[in-house]
Amino acid sequence: GAGVSQSPRYKVAKRGQDVALRCDPISGHVSLFWYQQALGQGPEFLTYFQNEAQLDKSGLPSDRFFAERPEGSVSTLKIQRTQQEDSAVYLCASRSRVLPRQETQYFGPGTRLLVL
Amino acid sequence: GQQLNQSPQSMFIQEGEDVSMNCTSSSIFNTWLWYKQDPGEGPVLLIALYKAGELTSNGRLTAQFGITRKDSFLNISASIPSDVGIYFCAGTGPYRVQGAQKLVFGQGTRLTINP
Repeated sequence: GAGVSQSPRYKVAKRGQDVALRCDPISGHVSLFWYQQALGQGPEFLTYFQNEAQLDKSGLPSDRFFAERPEGSVSTLKIQRTQQEDSAVYLCASRSRVLPRQETQYFGPGTRLLVL
Repeated sequence: GQQLNQSPQSMFIQEGEDVSMNCTSSSIFNTWLWYKQDPGEGPVLLIALYKAGELTSNGRLTAQFGITRKDSFLNISASIPSDVGIYFCAGTGPYRVQGAQKLVFGQGTRLTINP
């Protein structure tokens, strides 16, 4: 594919419901990132994968947030027992090189999550 | 943690005017990136800067990586209606610093253009 794709684009969940957000990175990109963007703010880092290994999950706000990338390609961000404060845009980005001089990350369109 | 201070937060200009925005950091960055985000979309890369002092252009856009590695600016010349949107600076820290792989973003500059 030409770019990073994410699904669903929009998700409305009832408080307490579990949700799963999918990211398809650019083909061949080794690194994958998840960010959370609150309304009117810049994106904030959640977690980072290099192939299937989750190397940094320091940005995950609670143990209700879980991410995986089992085959080193598609990634899923799961949020358990959603709360209203989880409402945000969840952005996925991918990057081609493992130890880059060039840190360019390419973003998907995001999933807009609204928890009622 | 690392933070980026981006200014101004918003700009209201006339079509054809030049635009300037900047970002500063309390710590050293290895890379500076400038993104534009339209409503309902993800950030789109405009310019990437990899070396201190680097000055790079992309059409009407020009950006520089500050010599101190703690700041960057983005200029847009002769603004047109499609320049409307939110502009974000972002950077990555030194490779040896834990968590350096992630992008740290500024708060964004919202650009509005009056035709």
